[in-house]
Amino acid sequence: DADVTQTPRNRITKTGKRIMLECSQTKGHDRMYWYRQDPGLGLRLIYYSFDVKDINKGEISDGYSVSRQAQAKFSLSLESAIPNQTALYFCATRGDISNTGELFFGEGSRLTVL
Amino acid sequence: SQQGEEDPQALSIQEGENATMNCSYKTSINNLQWYRQNSGRGLVHLILIRSNEREKHSGRLRVTLDTSKKSSSLLITASRAADTASYFCATDAKKQLTFGSGTQLTVLP
Repeated sequence: DADVTQTPRNRITKTGKRIMLECSQTKGHDRMYWYRQDPGLGLRLIYYSFDVKDINKGEISDGYSVSRQAQAKFSLSLESAIPNQTALYFCATRGDISNTGELFFGEGSRLTVL
Repeated sequence: SQQGEEDPQALSIQEGENATMNCSYKTSINNLQWYRQNSGRGLVHLILIRSNEREKHSGRLRVTLDTSKKSSSLLITASRAADTASYFCATDAKKQLTFGSGTQLTVLP
């Protein structure tokens, strides 16, 4: 089983719909991240969380919200999806206490908003 | 804004040749990391170099870091068709990793 699991892997939805992308991890890491990937733009940070009670906005948080339900679970929501939110979304974890270690990524959730 | 920018955006080489990718960044960093992404898949960590290191090796990978020029390079020696992927540098500063836009490497058999 994967250490970082994202569901769904693919989702097609319509403008205005609410969408939730879920991430769960078995690595025991406190730090979790949501990134968005668009062609030619690399990965951009949406939100990150250092523990259950800590949520921080990233570079592109507008239009998104998150919930850290437990140490192992970090969900990303699009309250009212719009076409320019069509992208590949990645969840990642980080376990290094000094916050300088590598990220472990899930396989991604491909979202298409029509 | 992108902290790290890779160059070139795309690189095509023959199997057995070496591949060099460069990364430039703008602000001070704690470390710089390189990741690999196979098409449509999650990113996988390759190597990390700290700000006080100048060169690091891991198997066929060699990474250099020049903090005075705010640049890093990733060298893959004796490339294989299986090395075909996108490669991203990520700069670590202020408790966040910021990724560049990547280099698409194609290794022709």
